[in-house]
Amino acid sequence: DSGVTQTPKHLITATGQRVTLRCSPRSGDLSVYWYQQSLDQGLQFLIHYYNGEERAKGNILERFSAQQFPDLHSELNLSSLELGDSALYFCASSVEEGLTDTQYFGPGTRLTVL
Amino acid sequence: AQKITQTQPGMFVQEKEAVTLDCTYDTSDPSYGLFWYKQPSSGEMIFLIYQGSYDQQNATEGRYSLNFQKARKSANLVISASQLGDSAMYFCAMREGYNFNKFYFGSGTKLNVKP
Repeated sequence: DSGVTQTPKHLITATGQRVTLRCSPRSGDLSVYWYQQSLDQGLQFLIHYYNGEERAKGNILERFSAQQFPDLHSELNLSSLELGDSALYFCASSVEEGLTDTQYFGPGTRLTVL
Repeated sequence: AQKITQTQPGMFVQEKEAVTLDCTYDTSDPSYGLFWYKQPSSGEMIFLIYQGSYDQQNATEGRYSLNFQKARKSANLVISASQLGDSAMYFCAMREGYNFNKFYFGSGTKLNVKP
């Protein structure tokens, strides 16, 4: 158990809908990262927050947004869902945001868009 | 160009034998970090080992060691005395000093340990 929690574990929804994925980092970790893992694209970095501030964006679609709250938990919002958004979404956390900081991953949320 | 390349989509190893999983990386930044993660069939990503670009010695963590060859830009993971529980996907990842907020992952290697 990495200490990172993600809810829900599974999510099944329809095209066009909006969902929110939630992540609680390990106690004391200030950085939260979001990733998407799909069969055809592999593991893709989406976005990074540090202590409430957005630090970096990766391959995140405009239909997706995220935020990190004062208590350091984070939410990833996915809207106007398409079939291709079906994937495993990971949240990871680290103590700081430095080069050597190890990211610890949550168990993931498996999103299925029908 | 791919930042991280893992050329072995799948590998088999006999239980109790050692196995090497290949990883090459591409960066012009002298400061970088290399990571290996394990993803069992249950889906979670488990951190295994870290190697910094300035580290003089190869990293080791229990049965895991990293064969770091800087000139060749390779960071191969060596698992000694394989166990059935080592069957999983293994991902190599890198972050660079000038842009350490981004984490680049390879496509992974699926390891199957045979009894």
